[in-house]
Amino acid sequence: QKEVEQDPGPLSVPEGAIVSLNCTYSNSAFQYFMWYRQYSRKGPELLMYTYSSGNKEDGRFTAQVDKSSKYISLFIRDSQPSDSATYLCAMSANRGNNQGGKLIFGQGTELSVKP
Amino acid sequence: DSGVTQTPKHLITATGQRVTLRCSPRSGDLSVYWYQQSLDQGLQFLIQYYNGEERAKGNILERFSAQQFPDLHSELNLSSLELGDSALYFCASSVGLGGQETQYFGPGTRLLVL
Repeated sequence: QKEVEQDPGPLSVPEGAIVSLNCTYSNSAFQYFMWYRQYSRKGPELLMYTYSSGNKEDGRFTAQVDKSSKYISLFIRDSQPSDSATYLCAMSANRGNNQGGKLIFGQGTELSVKP
Repeated sequence: DSGVTQTPKHLITATGQRVTLRCSPRSGDLSVYWYQQSLDQGLQFLIQYYNGEERAKGNILERFSAQQFPDLHSELNLSSLELGDSALYFCASSVGLGGQETQYFGPGTRLLVL
């Protein structure tokens, strides 16, 4: 079983829809949770960063972390065709300056927003 | 543009050969990370260097090695290449070295082994 599970999709929605992307994980030591967006053949770009449990909002994007359920989500409101990309969740268990910064990624969900 | 640069963008080579991928981190970043992205395995951590020293290691093959130079650029060396090594190789950088750091990714090097 992988440490981080993410439905690869593909997910297709109409423009303006609310999109929900999710990841589950098994390592209870994970403390830092990120969502990256990756356009085709490009490098991943950080969208959201959350420490521990709770919600974080940035414009049309909301990230949620539920550590008790080992479940994280990314919501995209008023989705746009320009949001079409692969969304990767990533997590890290290490803190401080003596353990390194290894990120564990989900498989990525391919999202297509149709005009 | 993340500020992380990688060369070359594309690389085509044959089985058994050796290649070197290069990464320059963002200005001021001391940590460099290497990741491999393939269709079946997804994005996987290979190795991390901080200010010239190896700090974390993932499932990096013995045929692969990396180093970080005094000017902080890093090189990933892949030898005795196999067909299965074909993948996108990304470099990322951050200021510090812990898991709380934000990692910025470069555009990647696409390696094709024939």
